[in-house]
Amino acid sequence: QSALTQPRSVSGSPGQSVSISCTGSSSDVGGYNYVSWYQHHPGKAPKLLIHDVSMRPSGVPDRFSGSKSGNTASLTISGLQADDEADYYCCSFAGSYHPYVFGTGTKVTVL
Amino acid sequence: EVQVVESGGGLVQPGGSLSLSCAASGFTFFSSKMHWVRQAPGKGLEWISYIDSSGRAITYADSVKGRFTISRDNTKNSLYLLMNSLRAEDTAIYHCVREGVENYNFDSWGQGTLVTVSS
Repeated sequence: QSALTQPRSVSGSPGQSVSISCTGSSSDVGGYNYVSWYQHHPGKAPKLLIHDVSMRPSGVPDRFSGSKSGNTASLTISGLQADDEADYYCCSFAGSYHPYVFGTGTKVTVL
Repeated sequence: EVQVVESGGGLVQPGGSLSLSCAASGFTFFSSKMHWVRQAPGKGLEWISYIDSSGRAITYADSVKGRFTISRDNTKNSLYLLMNSLRAEDTAIYHCVREGVENYNFDSWGQGTLVTVSS
């Protein structure tokens, strides 16, 4: 199972919006509405931001939003803040044999 | 507070074995599905294994199948990963992860334990 494709890096100024794409195939992203997104500050535990394509767990700010079209999912961060500088990973369910595939990861830089 | 804490990492020679543990607290471990996810140095996250709440349903990534064994002890609120025939490419931080109640996502992660495979 190949990793989902994400841009290596994105950047934005405080207050701006950035979007991260996550491209897979009909066997994963396109085949299931089970895309999730994680924020990872190096050295810390990753944090769930979005599940089921666009659902935010309790406590996650509404500045984080998710969507999907075909085989590509997206995470948008609005009102960029300094603490948003981190690595972001998408993940998709991909069936019972190879259940989960992560994206390649995107480093978000706040200018 | 939901908490998972990994232990057991360390330096091991190629071909060697290592056993990781994960202590869970703050939630009903016996009813939770659990996973191991790893991150090699400079690389992204990689899902490697799953176990259902009873321990009867288990899945592995191809990269570790036949070498790693996941297990759990619900009486001790603990998850385990036995790693055999270790290779240099198994060098990574290993995270113990709880599957979210909504399923198909990972809602609680440990900080991980570092496994280094080197001679």
